[in-house]
Amino acid sequence: AQSVTQLDSQVPVFEEAPVELRCNYSSSVSVYLFWYVQYPNQGLQLLLKYLSGSTLVKGINGFEAEFNKSQTSFHLRKPSVHISDTAEYFCAVSPGGSNYKLTFGKGTLLTVNP
Amino acid sequence: SQTIHQWPATLVQPVGSPLSLECTVEGTSNPNLYWYRQAAGRGLQLLFYSVGIGQISSEVPQNLSASRPQDRQFILSSKKLLLSDSGFYLCAWSYDSPPRSQHFGDGTRLSIL
Repeated sequence: AQSVTQLDSQVPVFEEAPVELRCNYSSSVSVYLFWYVQYPNQGLQLLLKYLSGSTLVKGINGFEAEFNKSQTSFHLRKPSVHISDTAEYFCAVSPGGSNYKLTFGKGTLLTVNP
Repeated sequence: SQTIHQWPATLVQPVGSPLSLECTVEGTSNPNLYWYRQAAGRGLQLLFYSVGIGQISSEVPQNLSASRPQDRQFILSSKKLLLSDSGFYLCAWSYDSPPRSQHFGDGTRLSIL
């Protein structure tokens, strides 16, 4: 079964600083990878996804992620964060094919301080 | 465009009472539908998923059940709630074709007293 590890449960940063949220997944022949964001008391919103092709994926709100097959990683980055980026971020993986399920990591709480 | 609705937004129920949470999707047909529970610090746990009317797959044995009486309606139920059923319940939908990106409702906060 697939597994996803988000290495940091909490990441505090100052406004306008860069940030990287780390995600590693268990190896599979092929995978689809996702990052979601959850604001307090809301559902999850899709930030970006990797399907195939270019390993650098750009998403909404200025976020991007890089797929690294050899390291089985899919880290999320933003060059300059805003207060409004404070939220919980979830990495998820799907093995594709006929498998309908997403496996989620436990989440990383990003707190942006002024 | 597609939208997903969940209700109620919050619910407080006594132990032993029944439960019915409803989720509907608009703007698409024959979606895959999912119910998740989210506990603090534990990520999302998939409870049920459905690929069509009347087709329900259960991921974990528990006190809950799900039904899909119509194409775009997904219901989560319980006959008798337990304290351990407290949590944030999320409904999601996806297209039936890969990569099946899932799109989430705003959730229901369930508190059991």
